Amino acid sequence: GAGVSQTPSNKVTEKGKYVELRCDPISGHTALYWYRQSLGQGPEFLIYFQGTGAADDSGLPNDRFFAVRPEGSVSTLKIQRTERGDSAVYLCASSLNRWHTEAFFGQGTRLTVV
Amino acid sequence: DAKTTQPNSMESNEEEPVHLPCNHSTISGTDYIHWYRQLPSQGPEYVIHGLTSNVNNRMASLAIAEDRKSSTLILHRATLRDAAVYYCILIEGAQKLVFGQGTRLTINP
Repeated sequence: GAGVSQTPSNKVTEKGKYVELRCDPISGHTALYWYRQSLGQGPEFLIYFQGTGAADDSGLPNDRFFAVRPEGSVSTLKIQRTERGDSAVYLCASSLNRWHTEAFFGQGTRLTVV
Repeated sequence: DAKTTQPNSMESNEEEPVHLPCNHSTISGTDYIHWYRQLPSQGPEYVIHGLTSNVNNRMASLAIAEDRKSSTLILHRATLRDAAVYYCILIEGAQKLVFGQGTRLTINP
């Protein structure tokens, strides 16, 4: 595809359940980023991958959040024991290498924990 | 992370120029100034970036003060499609975009 693809676009889950959010970056982009955005706020950084490795995971709020990118392309954000406070739009972005080039964002996954 | 300060909101009229200010008084010599915008229900979209010199592209112009403590994003002729939240962001070795609250731009027809 031409852009960053995120699936699903919407996810409703019950409190305490496990969820996986998927991001397909633009082909050839080595850098991949996850953000989450609450209503009325700017996106909040979660984690950054360079290739397969997490170069910066300082934004992950706690150990219930985990992300992988095993082959250096598709990434999955995993949230265990979801809480209502996890409800937000989760955004993925990719760039050719680092931030001094243009970053492309997906449309996001809207997660609602009920 | 270096901080930026932007007005919470601005309003302009269609087909008029818009100047969006950003203050970054603690900017370091290696910080790049990036601008992104976010349309309603969309992910953020890259607009422009620069280091020291003014920059132009098809979307906008970026004017950077000589001391680099402030910058201005210029939309030369606003359209209704330019209504969005505009984020001014500094990036250096941290290798990540840190978003603030941004400026919500309203365009009147």
